[in-house]
Amino acid sequence: KAGVTQTPRYLIKTRGQQVTLSCSPISGHRSVSWYQQTPGQGLQFLFEYFSETQRNKGNFPGRFSGRQFSNSRSEMNVSTLELGDSALYLCASSVDTDTQYFGPGTRLTVL
Amino acid sequence: KQEVTQIPAALSVPEGENLVLNCSFTDSAIYNLQWFRQDPGKGLTSLLLIQSSQREQTSGRLNASLDKSSGRSTLYIAASQPGDSATYLCAVERVGNTPLVFGKGTRLSVIA
Repeated sequence: KAGVTQTPRYLIKTRGQQVTLSCSPISGHRSVSWYQQTPGQGLQFLFEYFSETQRNKGNFPGRFSGRQFSNSRSEMNVSTLELGDSALYLCASSVDTDTQYFGPGTRLTVL
Repeated sequence: KQEVTQIPAALSVPEGENLVLNCSFTDSAIYNLQWFRQDPGKGLTSLLLIQSSQREQTSGRLNASLDKSSGRSTLYIAASQPGDSATYLCAVERVGNTPLVFGKGTRLSVIA
């Protein structure tokens, strides 16, 4: 069974731009969660989608948004990028509330 | 608010040594606790998941214990190898459908 895939793996953007990251969960998994990882703050929860509905949301500004499609694939969008948005963005999928399986991440660099 | 702390932040040991990584959490009302491994620049690999009703879980050379009442978990690695070098993270899930709360990890180096 294929694991969680994330595209792109690396991304370089400049301040003020917007970016969209994609996550394809393991087949049969309906929950997708997004996390931001930085050296200073560690792993922080962004949001979780289950069956196309946002089920949980972390403490991030409205510039961070996401959605989930009927095939469970998910995208997250960051608008008006800031230098501090540079991070490894990880998504994780699960059947529902059980073990989460993580993808390899997207490394975003904002210049 | 749940807080997860991992001590030490970094650890260096010679190959073959047994070692213990520590994780503490402030709110004992947890649904489960999970240990992950992360290699540099990579995603997370789940190592062990302990349900709140369990005391420990074992997988190969790894053993994780959970003491909810004291808010502590340990990850025991037996006969460490250079390939065990990585960052180890613990994460807790509160009762109910809530997101994982992570510690900042322990960076382990096993020296050959």
